[in-house]
Parts: sequence; C-alpha cells; structure tokens
Amino acid sequence: DTEVTQTPKHLVMGMTNKKSLKCEQHMGHRAMYWYKQKAKKPPELMFVYSYEKLSINESVPSRFSPECPNSSLLNLHLHALQPEDSALYLCASTQGQGSYEQYFGPGTRLTVT
Amino acid sequence: AQSVAQPEDQVNVAEGNPLTVKCTYSVSGNPYLFWYVQYPNRGLQFLLKYITGDNLVKGSYGFEAEFNKSQTSFHLKKPSALVSDSALYFCAVRELNNDMRFGAGTRLTVKP
Repeated sequence: DTEVTQTPKHLVMGMTNKKSLKCEQHMGHRAMYWYKQKAKKPPELMFVYSYEKLSINESVPSRFSPECPNSSLLNLHLHALQPEDSALYLCASTQGQGSYEQYFGPGTRLTVT
Repeated sequence: AQSVAQPEDQVNVAEGNPLTVKCTYSVSGNPYLFWYVQYPNRGLQFLLKYITGDNLVKGSYGFEAEFNKSQTSFHLKKPSALVSDSALYFCAVRELNNDMRFGAGTRLTVKP
C-alpha cells in the first residue's frame, strides 16, 4: 500500500471557525509533512514530523497547529484563518531521510470566506 | 542551500513527439534529485529520482531523466508524448536537512 489519504477533500470555512485536516498513511513511514500550495506554484513546506516529533516549523502562523497522534496519523488544526490561507494543503510521508522520495496525498482544497 | 531551477514555465509538444522538461540544480555535495508530476486538483506523484550510479534514470509512465554533472542538469524526457502526459511537472532536490525543495514547475501541454 503506497497510499497517503487526506480528509476532507474540500473544506469551506469562515474566519471564525475551527476545523481540522487529517492525513493517514500505513506504509510504516516515520516522517510526515504538511505543505501549502497555491495555484500553479510549488508546494511550500509548513511542518515536518520525524518519529512523531515536530522537527521543522517553517515560521508558520500560530493559526495553524499541527499534531501527530501516532506514526500513521497527522492532523492540521485550523483556527481564525484569513482568506489568503485558501490553498491546497498537501500531506506527504517518506520512509527516511536522504535518498527517499516523498509520497503525497491528494490534498485538501481549503477555502476561507 | 540546495536549489533547482526550471527555466520554462510552459512546454508545448505534439502527441507522438519526444518531450523534454528542463531542470538545472545547484547543490553542495552529491545531489539527490527528483521529478514529480501533478494533475489538476491532485497531489504530487513521484516519477523518478537520481541518487548515484547510471546517469540515465528510468521512471514511471515511460519517463526518464538524464543526470549531467558538467551541465548541472537533470532534464526529464519521454520518447513519445501522450495527451494524458499534460500536467504540471516539478523538479526537486533534497536539502541537507532532508527537506524537499521544489522548482517553480513547468506546465506541459501535449496537443493531439
């Protein structure tokens, strides 16, 4: 199974709402990532979890809060977002560091109204 | 920092013709280079990677890439393009801290 799943597929939320994005993989990968992607642009790294510990936080605003409950799950909690946060949010996982490729989920299309 | 550049925003090719999507890199040490493809409203799909060894790397869906150290390039190629190859292609390099750094992307359009 080389699949990374993400839910929901689409999400529309107001600026005062609280919502969560979910990512799951069952490949035994120990590193998981959140990316933000604007239309026709490359993915921008937001967070990296390695062995369930947050290892990289790319100066992301605190209205985005990641959580890694176990080695297969990754959540992104959203609160008080801005319209400019509307984007495709991608989750990825990798077997390890160095030469290993990342496997991406299909993404969650987020619209903030 | 490691980086990759994709000099073309858009590449157009006729179906059946060979295609090339260009990528150049700038790295310290040995490069770990990757190609990904993204179809509309989808995540990125891994195509192939260069780690070491043979300079010609074969990947998924008939794609291959040639690693050229003297020209610091890692161009993606396919001998005969299909309309279904139309997508957004990203070249990427693994950073020293193991993050993946992506190029700006190249939109490939294959016309029937």
